[in-house]
Amino acid sequence: EVQLLESGGGLVQPGGSLRLSCAASGFTFSSKAMSWARLAPGKGLEWVSSISDTGGSAYHADSVKGRFTISRDNSKNTVYLQMNSLRDEDTAVYYCAIGGRYGGWNSWGQGTLVTVSS
Amino acid sequence: QSALTQPPSASGSPGQSVTISCTGTSSDVGGYNYVSWYQHHPGKVPKLMIYEVSKRPSGVPDRFSGSKSGNTASLTVSGLQAEDEADYYCSSFAGSSNYLFGTGTRVIVL
Repeated sequence: EVQLLESGGGLVQPGGSLRLSCAASGFTFSSKAMSWARLAPGKGLEWVSSISDTGGSAYHADSVKGRFTISRDNSKNTVYLQMNSLRDEDTAVYYCAIGGRYGGWNSWGQGTLVTVSS
Repeated sequence: QSALTQPPSASGSPGQSVTISCTGTSSDVGGYNYVSWYQHHPGKVPKLMIYEVSKRPSGVPDRFSGSKSGNTASLTVSGLQAEDEADYYCSSFAGSSNYLFGTGTRVIVL
């Protein structure tokens, strides 16, 4: 059974940092691109970042470029999202999903809540 | 990067059909056959309903169908059922701008 388990969310002050993790199991992690998306309160889904199966290519939305970094460790079946210089508008539930920029994200994690507030 | 445009809501009675549009540009929806559709019941995990414009993952009822014409993609739900009431999001590969979601449509079953 495919499982994606996000962790690392929480309350952080503006300007602070968090690192989200997404532990994967039930499939060949090293052969799949992975992505992060977020859902802010009262808003729609927003793509955040994607990374290729090898980790050799990474992509970020303009809204997070220069502040967020996606990475992966195929030996640990885990994808990460390092979030720096957090802003109020980064408050959202963050989901990891199997799939890259061509879409077709067929499995999603349960999500982890990030709250940026002073 | 601007979100793809969807109507805020769509509604239909049980058994009827509803079609949701997703309008982009030639740089995203119109330029690639990489449009996906996701169903999201609030508080739950999003679910893939359609990928590559019109392909259905296994387990998704054939009541759900996707299509595209020019810069607009569409999701049609036929034979509406109560459990179809949810938020629906389109998405598209967008080349150098990477990946975009739509603004989302709330489907209401009357």
